[in-house]
Amino acid sequence: AQTIHQWPVAEIKAVGSPLSLGCTIKGKSSPNLYWYWQATGGTLQQLFYSITVGQVESVVQLNLSASRPKDDQFILSTEKLLLSHSGFYLCARTNNYAEQFFGPGTRLTVL
Amino acid sequence: QQKVQQSPESLSVPEGGMASLNCTSSDRNFQYFWWYRQHSGEGPKALMSIFSDGDKKEGRFTAHLNKASLHVSLHIRDSQPSDSALYFCAARPNNRIFFGDGTQLVVKP
Repeated sequence: AQTIHQWPVAEIKAVGSPLSLGCTIKGKSSPNLYWYWQATGGTLQQLFYSITVGQVESVVQLNLSASRPKDDQFILSTEKLLLSHSGFYLCARTNNYAEQFFGPGTRLTVL
Repeated sequence: QQKVQQSPESLSVPEGGMASLNCTSSDRNFQYFWWYRQHSGEGPKALMSIFSDGDKKEGRFTAHLNKASLHVSLHIRDSQPSDSALYFCAARPNNRIFFGDGTQLVVKP
């Protein structure tokens, strides 16, 4: 079975502190991977996508960066958090028919 | 410019009633549509896709696509309280996937 694991489940961080969120895909080789950000009850904003290891495309500029160090791993990070970074972060992959499979998400609160 | 527009923003229907959600694309490259459902605190899950003109039915859910007007709708018959969730329409021309702003559906017992 293909699964998406995200870590941590939730984070409370101070403004100006660094952040690293992780996503691991199991059961699917060479997946297309995506990071999304969602304000509480709001729309899904695609942040980054990656087709292969070492390659990441940025969709919007939110003072965040992403990396794909392994085929099954996608990392979202920043060196300095802003209040506006608070929200729900979702990792997703697609299948051959363009269906998006989302992970359980990470809830980030920046204080 | 918002490429995928959803309406209404929120919708309340009684249990057993019909819920109708709408989505319109402003880009003719967007020919493939998906409906997703997100319960509070979870990631969205795909409900159904529709790529061809006409209706597609899966259980209590029916999607309708009109490619000429780039309009897609989702109809939920016999709505249940468990259908209460945030519903997203999504359209995809390539590796970019565009989501609408969502419709918050509340089904009242």
